[in-house]
Amino acid sequence: SQKIEQNSEALNIQEGKTATLTCNYTNYSPAYLQWYRQDPGRGPVFLLLIRENEKEKRKERLKVTFDTTLKQSLFHITASQPADSATYLCALVPGGSYIPTFGRGTSLIVHP
Amino acid sequence: EAGVTQFPSHSVIEKGQTVTLRCDPISGHDNLYWYRRVMGKEIKFLLHFVKESKQDESGMPNNRFLAERTGGTYSTLKVQPAELEDSGVYFCASSRNDGTSGANVLTFGAGSRLTVL
Repeated sequence: SQKIEQNSEALNIQEGKTATLTCNYTNYSPAYLQWYRQDPGRGPVFLLLIRENEKEKRKERLKVTFDTTLKQSLFHITASQPADSATYLCALVPGGSYIPTFGRGTSLIVHP
Repeated sequence: EAGVTQFPSHSVIEKGQTVTLRCDPISGHDNLYWYRRVMGKEIKFLLHFVKESKQDESGMPNNRFLAERTGGTYSTLKVQPAELEDSGVYFCASSRNDGTSGANVLTFGAGSRLTVL
């Protein structure tokens, strides 16, 4: 069956360090992979998108990698800040589809 | 531009009652989606409209759920009669149709929390 796996345990890191979140998937052939941020009581907010033929994408302090052989995406936040504390969701979009399928998300807590 | 607006933000009803959730997408966004998050689980797809047409309703749990999108503008999701397992947060999202499948960035509303007692 199709699965999207994100670490269910919260990631606790110290301010200034790099946070790395993982998204693994099985039985999918995504054309795109998206990362969203969700704060309590709010809807997810889009951060970055990476296509299947791209290895890496950057935006300011954010970096996403996509390895279709390992079936894995890594999401990095460099020089993390307490304001980066949130739940981060990955979402896969199959080729020919408009519909993102979401993982459960990983909670990131950045300590001052 | 105004974001995606959902109403109500929280609804508490008794089992067997009816609830209608409303979503106003971003103006000009043809695609409208409903998702649901049940406690402790992932956000799950319910259905997808393109303008006023249902493109995909494969995620709708059963026939107690009815979604409509009048004139391709706002959408409603009605649950009738509500059951305990319907409790959760219902998210609406919208996106432009840029003609390229997958390059589809969703803008979400804040969600409507439904509690069925």
